[in-house]
Amino acid sequence: AQSVTQLDSQVPVFEEAPVELRCNYSSSVSVYLFWYVQYPNQGLQLLLKYLSGSTLVKGINGFEAEFNKSQTSFHLRKPSVHISDTAEYFCAVSYNTDKLIFGTGTRLQVFP
Amino acid sequence: EAQVTQNPRYLITVTGKKLTVTCSQNMNHEYMSWYRQDPGLGLRQIYYSMNVEVTDKGDVPEGYKVSRKEKRNFPLILESPSPNQTSLYFCASSLAGGSSTDTQYFGPGTRLTVL
Repeated sequence: AQSVTQLDSQVPVFEEAPVELRCNYSSSVSVYLFWYVQYPNQGLQLLLKYLSGSTLVKGINGFEAEFNKSQTSFHLRKPSVHISDTAEYFCAVSYNTDKLIFGTGTRLQVFP
Repeated sequence: EAQVTQNPRYLITVTGKKLTVTCSQNMNHEYMSWYRQDPGLGLRQIYYSMNVEVTDKGDVPEGYKVSRKEKRNFPLILESPSPNQTSLYFCASSLAGGSSTDTQYFGPGTRLTVL
């Protein structure tokens, strides 16, 4: 079955430290990958997406993600986080259909 | 301002009392969708619409209805709400008929409590 897994439900980190949020998807020939962020009491907004081409994708707010086909992963990274990055992050995958499948989310908590 | 709006933002109701959550987008998007968000389960798709008068079931359609009479509106109808429909609901839209590559734009959410 087509699926996406976010291994960490919560990630606590201190301000200015690096962070990696993990995302794995079930294998497929053709896949499109997304990271969405949900700030407290708001809807989701797109951080970045991978459709094709370069496997390193840069998004807003200094985030980037790397598509790794052999490991079926699309981990999200930021070299130095801010308090304002505290939010819930969702990985999502589309298997070339009209449907977007979301992971269960990772809550990033940044401490001063 | 380009946006997806939902109303109401918060709703407390009782079992069996029909309700409608409205969703409207001003971006001339063809694709619209409803999700519910529950702790530990992420977002699950309820229904989606590829265009006017075209709707289809998502992963968790039981107990819900939708309609797409106009391009901009996609209301979610709960004919007889039950407590297991207590959740946070999001409407989303994207440009083209399919969402494979398109960015989805989300509304602010509707928090529904069914007593």
